[in-house]
Amino acid sequence: AQRVTQPEKLLSVFKGAPVELKCNYSYSGSPELFWYVQYSRQRLQLLLRHISRESIKGFTADLNKGETSFHLKKPFAQEEDSAMYYCASSGTGRRALTFGSGTRLQVQP
Amino acid sequence: GAVVSQHPSWVICKSGTSVKIECRSLDFQATTMFWYRQFPKQSLMLMATSNEGSKATYEQGVEKDKFLINHASLTLSTLTVTSAHPEDSSFYICSVQPPGQGYNEQFFGPGTRLTVL
Repeated sequence: AQRVTQPEKLLSVFKGAPVELKCNYSYSGSPELFWYVQYSRQRLQLLLRHISRESIKGFTADLNKGETSFHLKKPFAQEEDSAMYYCASSGTGRRALTFGSGTRLQVQP
Repeated sequence: GAVVSQHPSWVICKSGTSVKIECRSLDFQATTMFWYRQFPKQSLMLMATSNEGSKATYEQGVEKDKFLINHASLTLSTLTVTSAHPEDSSFYICSVQPPGQGYNEQFFGPGTRLTVL
């Protein structure tokens, strides 16, 4: 079975500091990995997907198959980055998502 | 991105009654929709996969007779919580995946908060 682990429930940083939200996954095949973000009072929305290797709002995430990790990083945090971040995976042929427990990012001024 | 709506956004009901939650895909036809449940301070847990024109696929531990799913059209899936109890109080969220994508990106509805008294 797929499992996604986000070890930190809360990550608090000051504005301008680097951010790394950790995510580890377990899956025997080739999963698709995603980061979803939920801002206060808004719906869940896609932030990044590993397959596109893009940078969105300054965030990047690299899939490390050796470490089975997909950590989310941003070099300089901004206050508007404060939100709940969920790492999720989807297996080949199975399109439902398995979510991690989420990490709340607080960026203080 | 795709637009997904849910109705109602919140509902309060008495124990023992049934509640229907609608999920609509507003700008494309969705043969598959997903229903998730999120308890306070917890992550989203997949409940079932709703398939247009056929039976839903339920996750282990989810009672199919309690959580009835109907996907009668390509733009609407409904989740009915039958004989609701206080422990069913939760945030119910649906998602859809647009067709033709080479990757599994899903778009989520705003969620429905159910409170059972």
